[in-house]
Amino acid sequence: IQLTQSPSSLSASVGDSVSITCRASQGISSSLAWYQQKPGKTPNLLIFAASTLQSGVPSRFSGSGSGTDFTLTISSLQPEDFATYYCQQLNSYPLTFGGGTKVEIK
Amino acid sequence: EVQLVESGGGLVQPGGSLRLSCAASGFTFSGYAMNWVRQAPGKGLEWVSVISGGGSSTNYADSVRGRFTISRDNSNNTLYLQMNSLRAEDSAVYYCAKGKRIAAASDLDYWGQGTLLTVSS
Repeated sequence: IQLTQSPSSLSASVGDSVSITCRASQGISSSLAWYQQKPGKTPNLLIFAASTLQSGVPSRFSGSGSGTDFTLTISSLQPEDFATYYCQQLNSYPLTFGGGTKVEIK
Repeated sequence: EVQLVESGGGLVQPGGSLRLSCAASGFTFSGYAMNWVRQAPGKGLEWVSVISGGGSSTNYADSVRGRFTISRDNSNNTLYLQMNSLRAEDSAVYYCAKGKRIAAASDLDYWGQGTLLTVSS
């Protein structure tokens, strides 16, 4: 299953609301996770089961979607949110990641 | 506190072999699936392999199937990745990552710091 993230990068300002899309090449129900990776750091699980917030993750992060189309939304971008975001499908093997979306400061 | 510490990376010639290890602590190791995920320098994440908690079930990315073998020693809380017939495109930081649930295909809630593999002559 191929995962296509869009955009591949975006520039935004602190306080902006941003959305990242992940499209699966076939239906994956709600078997999707989102990760955040800051430069030089390991990935951090944000969202699982498409829309469930991982413990400790700020509520400004939210996920939605099912089937083939998914969205990660950051409601009010904070300085610490500038990072690269990846989706991952867990519906079938081989498990796959999207290509990533880099969120940069405008 | 969950800790995952990888080791075993290094410089290997094309066609060579290497075994990575991941020492786990802070959780009931045998109760969770474990994964290897890699990231080439400046590139995205690539899932490599998973093994179930008991070790009986494994799966691999197409790019490594037949060359890599994942295994685990639940008595010593250690995950392994045996890598054979290495290619330049296998060069990456290799992360071990804990599955969030007992099911093999589950979200990855803890990651190690990674170990770097470079395949070059």
